[in-house]
Amino acid sequence: GAGVSQTPSNKVTEKGKYVELRCDPISGHTALYWYRQSLGQGPEFLIYFQGTGAADDSGLPNDRFFAVRPEGSVSTLKIQRTERGDSAVYLCASSPRGGEQFFGPGTRLTVL
Amino acid sequence: QKEVEQDPGPLSVPEGAIVSLNCTYSNSAFQYFMWYRQYSRKGPELLMYTYSSGNKEDGRFTAQVDKSSKYISLFIRDSQPSDSATYLCAMRAAAGNKLTFGGGTRVLVKP
Repeated sequence: GAGVSQTPSNKVTEKGKYVELRCDPISGHTALYWYRQSLGQGPEFLIYFQGTGAADDSGLPNDRFFAVRPEGSVSTLKIQRTERGDSAVYLCASSPRGGEQFFGPGTRLTVL
Repeated sequence: QKEVEQDPGPLSVPEGAIVSLNCTYSNSAFQYFMWYRQYSRKGPELLMYTYSSGNKEDGRFTAQVDKSSKYISLFIRDSQPSDSATYLCAMRAAAGNKLTFGGGTRVLVKP
């Protein structure tokens, strides 16, 4: 069975550019989460979707970050005007409603 | 101070030894407790999932939760070199869904 997949696996961009990161959750999982992991740290929560709607976006650091899940399956995390401090691994997880969260391999974002 | 504290290590043990890991936390609302294993350049992999206080055993892994002390532990018996990884504790409140992670402990099991 397929797990959570994320594309691209690596993304290098220049300061000020726009990036999109994609997450394909496990089939049938209604909940989807985005986390950010800086080097040597644990993941930090960004946003949680239940179905198509963002149920909790309290972890988004500022208005340059935005995420969508238009059909309740695939999600895209969008970062505008990237800064060097945005460099991190962006992790996606999915779960059945209220259940255990299963993580994807992450997208390693480097902002030059 | 962080909500969840975890010693970063590295923790180095010989093959076959017991690995003992722990986390402390400050938020008494946390009800669900997890341990994840993360290999270099990979996503976290769920090892153990427990609710409230008590012990849970799964193969070589034992998780303990002491809510009165706000302290959780993971023990790995008969450790193998393949257990070398970073171990992350995570927890969440009953009402919420977001996980709060510790910073991770790097474990090295030497053959």
